[in-house]
Amino acid sequence: DGGITQSPKYLFRKEGQNVTLSCEQNLNHDAMYWYRQDPGQGLRLIYYSQIVNDFQKGDIAEGYSVSREKKESFPLTVTSAQKNPTAFYLCATSQGDYGYTFGSGTRLTVV
Amino acid sequence: DQQVKQNSPSLSVQEGRISILNCDYTNSMFDYFLWYKKYPAEGPTFLISISSIKDKNEDGRFTVFLNKSAKHLSLHIVPSQPGDSAVYFCAASDWGGGATNKLIFGTGTLLAVQP
Repeated sequence: DGGITQSPKYLFRKEGQNVTLSCEQNLNHDAMYWYRQDPGQGLRLIYYSQIVNDFQKGDIAEGYSVSREKKESFPLTVTSAQKNPTAFYLCATSQGDYGYTFGSGTRLTVV
Repeated sequence: DQQVKQNSPSLSVQEGRISILNCDYTNSMFDYFLWYKKYPAEGPTFLISISSIKDKNEDGRFTVFLNKSAKHLSLHIVPSQPGDSAVYFCAASDWGGGATNKLIFGTGTLLAVQP
């Protein structure tokens, strides 16, 4: 069954800690994306990668980092520099012009 | 600068009636538009799309209309069902002939269909 797996579903982070969100896909899609959802602000692009070993900043990349060492994986690290990290994080993939396929998301809460 | 706007944060309709969700965009380079549906604590799922060479696309109860001159698109759901209650996101991109490009999303409209 092809799809996108985001883990964990819920994540709690203490202030000042880095935390990494996992995104794995077996759709063989080239492009992968990270979005953040906040109430009333829709989906905002954090980072995206169109091929392995290459990635680009999105609209709100500050305080985040990514890597794309293999096609199947695009982990997102939320660093202590991110001032307001509590949000719902969505990973997506795409191939050509068929739109995006989204994972089920990770809810990150700073405690 | 919000390139894709959904000015209605919420919409409530009666079951069986028509739901009309609106979306406006500012970038004239956008040539591909999509609608996604999202339930709480889940990822969005693709609903319907339209290319800028068309002005209408239909899929069952869902129809998307595109008015390029007004930079406006709308999603019609007929008849509306309680299971349609969700947040609907409009998205746009300048695909440029199939190249992989990023989507720009609107802020979403929460649709509530009352039984």
